Amino acid sequence: NAGVTQTPKFRVLKTGQSMTLLCAQDMNHEYMYWYRQDPGMGLRLIHYSVGEGTTAKGEVPDGYNVSRLKKQNFLLGLESAAPSQTSVYFCASRIAGGITGELFFGEGSRLTVL
Amino acid sequence: SQQGEEDPQALSIQEGENATMNCSYKTSINNLQWYRQNSGRGLVHLILIRSNEREKHSGRLRVTLDTSKKSSSLLITASRAADTASYFCATDASRGAQKLVFGQGTRLTINP
Repeated sequence: NAGVTQTPKFRVLKTGQSMTLLCAQDMNHEYMYWYRQDPGMGLRLIHYSVGEGTTAKGEVPDGYNVSRLKKQNFLLGLESAAPSQTSVYFCASRIAGGITGELFFGEGSRLTVL
Repeated sequence: SQQGEEDPQALSIQEGENATMNCSYKTSINNLQWYRQNSGRGLVHLILIRSNEREKHSGRLRVTLDTSKKSSSLLITASRAADTASYFCATDASRGAQKLVFGQGTRLTINP
């Protein structure tokens, strides 16, 4: 099993450009998450999904959109990139359940916005 | 704002020594988890402790939880150079038990 796979791993954008990060998981997990990691800030939750066709806002959702059209995929979009969105983005997934269990993370996508 | 805050932000010890990291949080939780992140990699789950547990062990890891003080500690015994990484606590403070909130992490360096 590949686990959680993120593409692309690296990307450089100019201010105002758009892009989509793809997260794919092969563990049949219901829940999926997008976090961003900045120096000294830890991980901050952007958006998450508790099932196919559902999405919800996290702590820092502004400037991002997401879609979960298929259970195994969770897309993170930037419509008009800004330098403040330079960060490392992590996708994670977990099984559904009554108590938050272990998150499985991808290896990250490093985005630079010039 | 971050739910968990970790202390210290950075820790450097000699190989073979024990390493202790602390995490404090603000609201009631269902569980608390610890993760490890090697440089440039994704996070890896280490251990989960539920709110009704006080201590948990996994190999060289020992986690304690004090819900009255809203704090947890992670102890790594007999440290090895390979333990060099960042360690994060994460709490599930949501009623719906749907999301984890991470602390800022402790950067641990083990010197050979």
